[in-house]
Amino acid sequence: EVQLVESGGALVQPGGSLRLSCAASGFTFSSHAMHWVRQAPGKGLEYVSAISRNGGTTYYANSVKGRFTISRDNSRNALFLQMGSLRVEDMAVYYCARDSEYGEDYWGQGTLVTVSS
Amino acid sequence: DVVVTQTPLSSPITLGQPAFISCRSSQSLVHSNGITYLSWLQKRPGQPLRLLIYKISNRFSGVPDRFSGSGAGTDFTLKISRVEAEDVGIYYCMQATHSPITFGQGTRLEIK
Repeated sequence: EVQLVESGGALVQPGGSLRLSCAASGFTFSSHAMHWVRQAPGKGLEYVSAISRNGGTTYYANSVKGRFTISRDNSRNALFLQMGSLRVEDMAVYYCARDSEYGEDYWGQGTLVTVSS
Repeated sequence: DVVVTQTPLSSPITLGQPAFISCRSSQSLVHSNGITYLSWLQKRPGQPLRLLIYKISNRFSGVPDRFSGSGAGTDFTLKISRVEAEDVGIYYCMQATHSPITFGQGTRLEIK
């Protein structure tokens, strides 16, 4: 069974940093690109970042470019999102999702990032 | 960015009746390779997002056949032929033809 479990969400002050993790199981992690998508309170889904299977290619939404870094450790079946210079508008539930020939086919439950002083 | 607009935003439906959700994009979702990367996702309370339909009309693994997708170009529809209680939740369309991936605002399906 494919499982994606996010962790690392917390309350952080504006300007602070946070590292999110996504633990993958039930599939060959290194065979899939991965994504981060977020949903701010009361808002819609927003695409954040993506990383290729070997980590060599990454993509960032303009809203997070230069502040967030996506990475992965295929030996640990883990996906990460290093978030810096956090803003109030970054407050959201962050989801990781697996990429496949079908698109983003499996999603985690999400982890909540709260940015507040 | 491609704007994806869903209607309605809320849909109270009687059990056993059909439900239709529309998704319209600000530009054609036909990729240069000829494929249209339009998907439908479901978010039930307490559950992770679930892929229902990919490439307009293909049901993902385990998705009941009461769910179907149709459309072309800029106009797409998700149909639930007979709504069941477990279908309550929020439905999103998503386009991956153009970068960045964008989502509709979501349609809340509730039982009347």
